[in-house]
Amino acid sequence: GEDVEQSLFLSVREGDSSVINCTYTDSSSTYLYWYKQEPGAGLQLLTYIFSNMDMKQDQRLTVLLNKKDKHLSLRIADTQTGDSAIYFCAEASPRGYNKLIFGAGTRLAVHP
Amino acid sequence: EAGVAQSPRYKIIEKRQSVAFWCNPISGHATLYWYQQILGQGPKLLIQFQNNGVVDDSQLPKDRFSAERLKGVDSTLKIQPAKLEDSAVYLCASSSGLAGEETQYFGPGTRLLVL
Repeated sequence: GEDVEQSLFLSVREGDSSVINCTYTDSSSTYLYWYKQEPGAGLQLLTYIFSNMDMKQDQRLTVLLNKKDKHLSLRIADTQTGDSAIYFCAEASPRGYNKLIFGAGTRLAVHP
Repeated sequence: EAGVAQSPRYKIIEKRQSVAFWCNPISGHATLYWYQQILGQGPKLLIQFQNNGVVDDSQLPKDRFSAERLKGVDSTLKIQPAKLEDSAVYLCASSSGLAGEETQYFGPGTRLLVL
């Protein structure tokens, strides 16, 4: 099937690290993405990783990819209140003309 | 560089009425996507255009939804007649269409409420 799975909710203290996990479905997916959605806004691209990589770091963001288990994670270091949002994992399906298949999103709440 | 533009931002209609949404992609982007995002869910692809041709409309409810991209630039998505379950955010995205540059950039979305 085409189900990308994410945990629905994560609560962290300001300054701690956040780890958001995702399981995708298609082992032939070439790109895997993380998008951020703030209330009332569209999707903001955070980062992406090619399937031939196992890690990518971009400032406070670290993406880890385990192709064997089809598991993707996003780590946010030094989480701030401005990071509170819904985070979507998405895979680009080569079988579907590169359409994105999204998870249901993980709501990140950052508290002082 | 200007991002993906969408209008209107909000729309409230009654069931059985018609509605249209407009999208202007990032300049030079050949591929345009319309996604539907129901509250509490991730976006789901409705239709994908490459220039002015349809690449994938397998998830588009064609009895009531239609979309066009006549000149290969901006696009219109129409619902006629609307049902209560069409209440959602309609997101437009674009990508360059070039190999190795498949990243999709999203507009702010149009929030539709059908009463």
